[in-house]
Amino acid sequence: DSGVTQTPKHLITATGQRVTLRCSPRSGDLSVYWYQQSLDQGLQFLIHYYNGEERAKGNILERFSAQQFPDLHSELNLSSLELGDSALYFCASSVGTNRGNSPLHFGNGTRLTVT
Amino acid sequence: DQQVKQNSPSLSVQEGRISILNCDYTNSMFDYFLWYKKYPAEGPTFLISISSIKDKNEDGRFTVFLNKSAKHLSLHIVPSQPGDSAVYFCAASPFTGGGNKLTFGTGTQLKVEL
Repeated sequence: DSGVTQTPKHLITATGQRVTLRCSPRSGDLSVYWYQQSLDQGLQFLIHYYNGEERAKGNILERFSAQQFPDLHSELNLSSLELGDSALYFCASSVGTNRGNSPLHFGNGTRLTVT
Repeated sequence: DQQVKQNSPSLSVQEGRISILNCDYTNSMFDYFLWYKKYPAEGPTFLISISSIKDKNEDGRFTVFLNKSAKHLSLHIVPSQPGDSAVYFCAASPFTGGGNKLTFGTGTQLKVEL
């Protein structure tokens, strides 16, 4: 158990809809990262928050947004969903930031299916 | 542009033998290299890492080798056990990158057979 909790585990929705994915980091971790894994792809970095502030953006679409709340949990909002948004979405956390040798702790992911 | 490549989507090895998983990278700015293991329906878990100042790092049955001149790293598992069957992701980061600069490969599915 990594200590990172993601809900829901599965989500099925229709094109054009909006969904919210939730992540609670490990106790004591201030950084939250969101990754997307599409079929046969590696994990693609979406966005990073540290102690409530956005620190970096990756290949995140404008239809997607995220935030980290004062209790450090984070939400990833996906809107105007398209079929191609179907993927596994992982949240990861770490104690700090900007240290390449600090491993991330991943949640079990949310599988999003857009029909 | 795949900066981290795992060219073998799958690998099958007999129990007790050595498993060798390979990874190539193109970005010379990468300073840290990590391997993550992933079981079905779970998130990736950190396995072992190596910094660019080393060419080998060992942790129990797992050893990672780094060849900077060839931009190549490999993970050796000796002896392989059925519980090692999982998808293995290679990842790389520049020193100051942290998680937000972590670039993953597409993974290699390892199957350890009895």
